[in-house]
Amino acid sequence: EPEVTQTPSHQVTQMGQEVILRCVPISNHLYFYWYRQILGQKVEFLVSFYNNEISEKSEIFDDQFSVERPDGSNFTLKIRSTKLEDSAMYFCASSEMDGNIQYFGAGTRLSVL
Amino acid sequence: AQSVTQPDIHITVSEGASLELRCNYSYGATPYLFWYVQSPGQGLQLLLKYFSGDTLVQGIKGFEAEFKRSQSSFNLRKPSVHWSDAAEYFCAVVGGSQGNLIFGKGTKLSVKP
Repeated sequence: EPEVTQTPSHQVTQMGQEVILRCVPISNHLYFYWYRQILGQKVEFLVSFYNNEISEKSEIFDDQFSVERPDGSNFTLKIRSTKLEDSAMYFCASSEMDGNIQYFGAGTRLSVL
Repeated sequence: AQSVTQPDIHITVSEGASLELRCNYSYGATPYLFWYVQSPGQGLQLLLKYFSGDTLVQGIKGFEAEFKRSQSSFNLRKPSVHWSDAAEYFCAVVGGSQGNLIFGKGTKLSVKP
């Protein structure tokens, strides 16, 4: 069964450093999403991406965040200057159509020290 | 604004007992509703979905959920719980125009022998 793949599974970084979280969505999917889950809290939407541009973003997704699909298969989330409060599990998801079933990756746990 | 409420933070049931996890949503139109399960250290796995039609939907692992518009609820049920069902369960509704999901805070299920 096709699946969404995220790398790395765990990323440790120093505060102020840039990190790039990588995702390979399911190949025929057109809509891509990033969510995050701070430890003990609910999963929160960050951004959706369609047709090579951001289609929707939450208030969490400020100027330090960016997304891109550099090569038609990978979908990346960049955090330009990490803060302690960025420590969370970051989930990538993809779907064939908007409003349809989203398939999630196993997540990347980001630890900012 | 759309929202999802899962009133129970933690539920413990005996193996073999029945289970019902509550979910209430706030949404203006007909909602697209989902239940996801997250095992420790794992990503989010889709259990079942409701888009339209029959209000009782069947999912994987023997789970079912019933959509009740009058109560704005989408409760998850299982007639006989197995130890492997111990996990965190998230109810979600499609929120934005691009299909981003709004999650509840989750219900942690513990199963005692």
